[in-house]
Amino acid sequence: AQKITQTQPGMFVQEKEAVTLDCTYDTSDPSYGLFWYKQPSSGEMIFLIYQGSYDQQNATEGRYSLNFQKARKSANLVISASQLGDSAMYFCAMREGISGGYNKLIFGAGTRLAVHP
Amino acid sequence: GAVVSQHPSWVICKSGTSVKIECRSLDFQATTMFWYRQFPKQSLMLMATSNEGSKATYEQGVEKDKFLINHASLTLSTLTVTSAHPEDSSFYICSARGLGGNEKLFFGSGTQLSVL
Repeated sequence: AQKITQTQPGMFVQEKEAVTLDCTYDTSDPSYGLFWYKQPSSGEMIFLIYQGSYDQQNATEGRYSLNFQKARKSANLVISASQLGDSAMYFCAMREGISGGYNKLIFGAGTRLAVHP
Repeated sequence: GAVVSQHPSWVICKSGTSVKIECRSLDFQATTMFWYRQFPKQSLMLMATSNEGSKATYEQGVEKDKFLINHASLTLSTLTVTSAHPEDSSFYICSARGLGGNEKLFFGSGTQLSVL
């Protein structure tokens, strides 16, 4: 069964506007971590934000915030004040188990974001 | 921040030859490294988990005799694609977790392999 679902293959946003990238997940483990990574055309994976399943508040990192709705099993990424440099692929990922061990990251299919001037 | 160096960034080889890709953690010790494969316009698919000093754990469907992984030290893991064929052409990317189970994985810049 697919564990990470990103239903938006592509998204467009006007520069300086906010955009939400959707991510839903499926796990029976009460302890898990959710990640968002950005992959520009150069290929490297850039860590954006992390949310632990027990975190009480939504994670924020600068212009990035994670809208964590545990009951709905969603972890949407919100990018505020979009910039042209935000154009890239965005991947949602999940690790079952909070820390330690060899827990691996499982990635969603990705969403390609295009920011227009 | 932590840096993971991956080399080479791209490689072209003839069918039947072997290619080695290196993944190094430059400023931290990586007890565990992960190797991913990414086809064009697709997501990252985990191939194997590489543990320092022990055998790698391969995901279902990944041929361990074809994709040899060695994690000989806390800062270096290598992936060797043996007897490469055109269908092995892909983007390979490694990631590393430091000591203490940091929640964040650090990724290398990836290797684009093209097999002719």
